[in-house]
Amino acid sequence: QVQLVESGGGVVQPGGSLRLSCAASGFTFSSYGMHWVRQAPGKGLEWVAFIRYDGSNKYYADSVKGRFTISRDNSKNTLYLQMNSLRAEDTAVYYCAKDFLEWLLYPRYMDVWGKGTTVTVSS
Amino acid sequence: QSALTQPASVSGSPGQSITISCTGTSSDVGGYNYVSWYQQHPGKAPKLMIYDVSNRPSGVSNRFSGSKSGNTASLTISGLQAEDEADYYCSSYTSSVVFGGGTKLTVL
Repeated sequence: QVQLVESGGGVVQPGGSLRLSCAASGFTFSSYGMHWVRQAPGKGLEWVAFIRYDGSNKYYADSVKGRFTISRDNSKNTLYLQMNSLRAEDTAVYYCAKDFLEWLLYPRYMDVWGKGTTVTVSS
Repeated sequence: QSALTQPASVSGSPGQSITISCTGTSSDVGGYNYVSWYQQHPGKAPKLMIYDVSNRPSGVSNRFSGSKSGNTASLTISGLQAEDEADYYCSSYTSSVVFGGGTKLTVL
């Protein structure tokens, strides 16, 4: 079945770095754009980043632009999120999600979500 | 990238209908027919319920429907059931993606 499994979360000090991974299975990973979405404790959803199916273009929320980098390895069916210069406000559950339609050039909808990985930024 | 505006909470009794609004601007909700709605139960990942303003993905009950007028989109749930109690988020394309703040639906 279609599945996304995130990993790499943990506790990190302010200013530190972390790399999240998302292993995809059950669908043709290289045909779909992918998203990262986060949810701070007790808060709503916040879209973080999107990468096109072929990795040719990337889109970021203003809150993470210049600090986070989304990437993918289609040969490994894996999505990544490199997070640098982490701040307390980056503390959240981070979900990876598959876009709904194949071959989209721009971010649209998320129809398959992982269970999330928790990132805590604290000294 | 300002969040879309949703009511913090709505409630209804079983069998009733409720509507959740989602207000944006001409740069997001009003500018594109790329509005979606997600349902999230506590401790679970979100689930896509509506896309392209009013379309339902396969497997989503036809009790859920979406619409849009100007800069405001709406999600209507008819024949409320206890399992509908959850948080609901709207989302719109805006050269990126923006979510609403979320609405907690309570089934009385």
